[in-house]
Amino acid sequence: EAQVTQNPRYLITVTGKKLTVTCSQNMNHEYMSWYRQDPGLGLRQIYYSMNVEVTDKGDVPEGYKVSRKEKRNFPLILESPSPNQTSLYFCASRLRSTTNTGELFFGEGSRLTVL
Amino acid sequence: DAKTTQPPSMDCAEGRAANLPCNHSTISGNEYVYWYRQIHSQGPQYIIHGLKNNETNEMASLIITEDRKSSTLILPHATLRDTAVYYCIVNNAGNMLTFGGGTRLMVKP
Repeated sequence: EAQVTQNPRYLITVTGKKLTVTCSQNMNHEYMSWYRQDPGLGLRQIYYSMNVEVTDKGDVPEGYKVSRKEKRNFPLILESPSPNQTSLYFCASRLRSTTNTGELFFGEGSRLTVL
Repeated sequence: DAKTTQPPSMDCAEGRAANLPCNHSTISGNEYVYWYRQIHSQGPQYIIHGLKNNETNEMASLIITEDRKSSTLILPHATLRDTAVYYCIVNNAGNMLTFGGGTRLMVKP
């Protein structure tokens, strides 16, 4: 089954304790992206990756890092989490298409609480 | 990417057609219109997309005006399970995909 898998789905942590949210897709997609969703602010893009070893900032990259060492994985790293990073996080992937017919496939979300 | 404007909320009676409008007056010639929906806090789900012509699939129909400055997503026979937030976005295969506030559709019995 084609899917985007995120882990953990739920996490409560404390300020300053490094954490990683993993994202893996099994569709051989070149493009992957991370979003955060907060009440009243919609989905905001954090980082995206066009392919292995190619990453770039989205709208709200501060406080986050990413890496793309393999095509299927795109982990989101919070080096020193703060309470304002409490949010619902989504990973998404799609084919990199110059003809613009690529739909985004989203994971089920990771709800992160930073105390 | 062009910005979109959607009404924050709409109601629809079960079994009736739900028509969700989207304004994208600054859309450029190579930008597609995409629609996604999000049920509760699940990951958004792709519905349909189009460039100029009207499109239909098993989920919905997309009507794009001739000047491409607006579009309407039509759910022909809305069910309670269609209650969700619907997002209209425009994109030219760029990498910065911006989701606005969307329209919260409430389907009522």
